Amino acid sequence: QSVLTQPPSVSGAPGQRVTISCTGSSSNIGAGYDVHWYQVLPGTAPKLLIYGNNNRASGVPERFSGSKSGTSASLAISGLQAEDEADFYCQTYDSSLSGSVFGGGTKLTVL
Amino acid sequence: QVLVVQSGAEVKKPGSSVKVSCKTSGGVFSNFATSWVRQAPGQGLEWMGGIIPIFGTGHYAQNFQGRVTITADESTSTAFMELTSLRSEDTAVYYCAAGDVNWRMDYWGQGTLVTVSS
Repeated sequence: QSVLTQPPSVSGAPGQRVTISCTGSSSNIGAGYDVHWYQVLPGTAPKLLIYGNNNRASGVPERFSGSKSGTSASLAISGLQAEDEADFYCQTYDSSLSGSVFGGGTKLTVL
Repeated sequence: QVLVVQSGAEVKKPGSSVKVSCKTSGGVFSNFATSWVRQAPGQGLEWMGGIIPIFGTGHYAQNFQGRVTITADESTSTAFMELTSLRSEDTAVYYCAAGDVNWRMDYWGQGTLVTVSS
């Protein structure tokens, strides 16, 4: 059980907007540590998508955006496309564990 | 452009050890934090630990304390992850990733499949 909670799955039709939440606590997100998001396409290595809460990594389309407030963070994907279908993970540092932690992951299905 | 290349797949017996290597090129290896992350079949990503060569010592997730050792050879820009006392539950793809000193993972290796089976 991860210290960062994500919904197991989300879905949306092409062109729609979806959000994925990442809920932490006062020892990680709430302590001010940056949240990063990764995309894992089937059969491939993870790829950095969003870093430092709301910055897109190189080459990432503007359709992807991140935000953070309090003890939670969110990833939003607008204008859904079929190729967006993947697993998404949030990641941050946890001071109680003295290490990095990932959320449990969210599977995005494009209907 | 930073490139991260890992060693090949391994098949190990329960109770044995495995050592996976991770070579980084195209950047300043000593200043990168190299993390090790694993993904068991059907499971999520799990941070095992990491090392910042300029500081020398490894940092380990509590779940792996005492069983994992992470080292770095600055002369070859290569990091290593050794996992001991292997059990079937350690069967997974092991990734290394290089990034900033706050354990952000910018550049990922291709992954190394470790299979533990008698």
